[in-house]
Amino acid sequence: GAVVSQHPSWVICKSGTSVKIECRSLDFQATTMFWYRQFPKQSLMLMATSNEGSKATYEQGVEKDKFLINHASLTLSTLTVTSAHPEDSSFYICSATDRGYEQFFGPGTRLTVL
Amino acid sequence: GQQLNQSPQSMFIQEGEDVSMNCTSSSIFNTWLWYKQDPGEGPVLLIALYKAGELTSNGRLTAQFGITRKDSFLNISASIPSDVGIYFCAGQRGEGAQKLVFGQGTRLTINP
Repeated sequence: GAVVSQHPSWVICKSGTSVKIECRSLDFQATTMFWYRQFPKQSLMLMATSNEGSKATYEQGVEKDKFLINHASLTLSTLTVTSAHPEDSSFYICSATDRGYEQFFGPGTRLTVL
Repeated sequence: GQQLNQSPQSMFIQEGEDVSMNCTSSSIFNTWLWYKQDPGEGPVLLIALYKAGELTSNGRLTAQFGITRKDSFLNISASIPSDVGIYFCAGQRGEGAQKLVFGQGTRLTINP
């Protein structure tokens, strides 16, 4: 149980285009989902926290107009990278929790912007 | 953003050796967690610690929650090839819906 999926697992796009990444909790209802970004050989850095039905809370330095987060249902959150540029290339990971103690992580999405 | 101080950054050991890594923070956390991340995948929870002073084992892994609530360590005994990966500590101030703060990671390499 407690499986979190992400789609796509990898994506390559041209600079200036927008990319949407989905995070789904497959067997539980996720009241809260988190989005992280991980650059090569670095740690996970929290980008934003999203609660179902409300606006996401962004960490300092993360542009909310560039990284659009929607958490419209208890099993789905989406992250849209708008007008992506090469510096946005990274590994994006989501996690989900049902208010228990544990956050369950997705397998990640590798974004490459050309 | 805030990060925990995790050391060492990398370790190169022989198969069968024991491994120890630790994490410190300037502020208190109420939960400490240890994760393992394989290349191209998300982190997987190894051990969760909820009480100061708590010592918890999971197979060959043992972790402790420091009494000051500002540190934690992870030990791996009798390492095997599948232990290779990156280990992250994470601190959490509240329950599961609270955000995690991660350490920089310890990259473990094992020579067979």
